[in-house]
Amino acid sequence: SQQGEEDPQALSIQEGENATMNCSYKTSINNLQWYRQNSGRGLVHLILIRSNEREKHSGRLRVTLDTSKKSSSLLITASRAADTASYFCAAKNYGGSQGNLIFGKGTKLSVKP
Amino acid sequence: NAGVTQTPKFQVLKTGQSMTLQCAQDMNHNSMYWYRQDPGMGLRLIYYSASEGTTDKGEVPNGYNVSRLNKREFSLRLESAAPSQTSVYFCASSEYGYEQFFGPGTRLTVL
Repeated sequence: SQQGEEDPQALSIQEGENATMNCSYKTSINNLQWYRQNSGRGLVHLILIRSNEREKHSGRLRVTLDTSKKSSSLLITASRAADTASYFCAAKNYGGSQGNLIFGKGTKLSVKP
Repeated sequence: NAGVTQTPKFQVLKTGQSMTLQCAQDMNHNSMYWYRQDPGMGLRLIYYSASEGTTDKGEVPNGYNVSRLNKREFSLRLESAAPSQTSVYFCASSEYGYEQFFGPGTRLTVL
């Protein structure tokens, strides 16, 4: 069953605007990861946040984690047309089998020039 | 480094045919995974191998078998393909349960 559920399913913004995607999960996690998938390609890892962390930054990406609400958000600032892709959260369950990630269904982001 | 490679890139099968999807990684990772991706469903884990010599079922293993041939290679076999197995298949590898590295995918159509 799906662990992560992203919201919204689709998001369309103008270049330069910020994009925020949310993820909810069901069980205790060891870490939560975000991935990007360009059309027709494999997934690419963006950022990992551990369960004892609340916020993490990487370039134009900002991820927050609220374990009490079992939710995470991914913020992309000053978006570019090249950010157009699908974004997935993936939860690493606490105590789960090594390496197993449970992926959400993704948010499809469209950035218009 | 090639990262994770998958063959073939595309495949069309008839119902009942068999085939093996190949995956190899050159990052010396212990863990390898096979996922399928269907529209609106995200990625679902078919099988994984935590280390060389071990394999375990994921969320949707029915109709598939796997072989961890050595540390580098992890193959996925469809013994008798069904239209419900039409999907995009991704192989991935990782170390210590953290970041996963994905291959480019195999697009399979079963008629």
